[in-house]
Amino acid sequence: SQQGEEDPQALSIQEGENATMNCSYKTSINNLQWYRQNSGRGLVHLILIRSNEREKHSGRLRVTLDTSKKSSSLLITASRAADTASYFCATDERSSGGYNKLIFGAGTRLAVHP
Amino acid sequence: DTGVSQDPRHKITKRGQNVTFRCDPISEHNRLYWYRQTLGQGPEFLTYFQNEAQLEKSRLLSDRFSAERPKGSFSTLEIQRTEQGDSAMYLCASTLDSYGYTFGSGTRLTVV
Repeated sequence: SQQGEEDPQALSIQEGENATMNCSYKTSINNLQWYRQNSGRGLVHLILIRSNEREKHSGRLRVTLDTSKKSSSLLITASRAADTASYFCATDERSSGGYNKLIFGAGTRLAVHP
Repeated sequence: DTGVSQDPRHKITKRGQNVTFRCDPISEHNRLYWYRQTLGQGPEFLTYFQNEAQLEKSRLLSDRFSAERPKGSFSTLEIQRTEQGDSAMYLCASTLDSYGYTFGSGTRLTVV
């Protein structure tokens, strides 16, 4: 089963603009991770934010986490055509068996036009 | 290690045939996961191994699906009597500490 919703489902912007994607989830988490997937390929880990963190930066990426609202956002600044991909948030949950697993949202398809 | 390897990259099979996929994780990673992804959706958890022990199977895994990880190294996912609904991308991931999951490029299965 999937954890939650991502918004928007699709986003189309011009190069140089910022792209913001939102993610909501349902249960308690250890951390939240964002992944990128180019068409027909595997997922690439972008950034991880722990449940006790509120904001994190990595290059042109900025992630926020609001555990009270069970939501996160990913901001890509100064977008490039090469950023065109699907972006997924994934919550890292601890199961009753004591191990962790990632639960993904449905993703946001980002298209950046030159 | 260059990452997680999956083989084959693509598989086309006739309905009713059996297929087997292989995943070679990063060697020091003791945790291995299988996910299934259909078009336009996020990956869905299928099963998890810690070393050679299979600790969880999703309800998505019918009796036609079986996964193994002998000796805690590579893993195989077998689908028996394939159905058209099994068509999807099957992704494998491994991790050591749950803070960095490394995914393979996936095996795309098409059942005709």
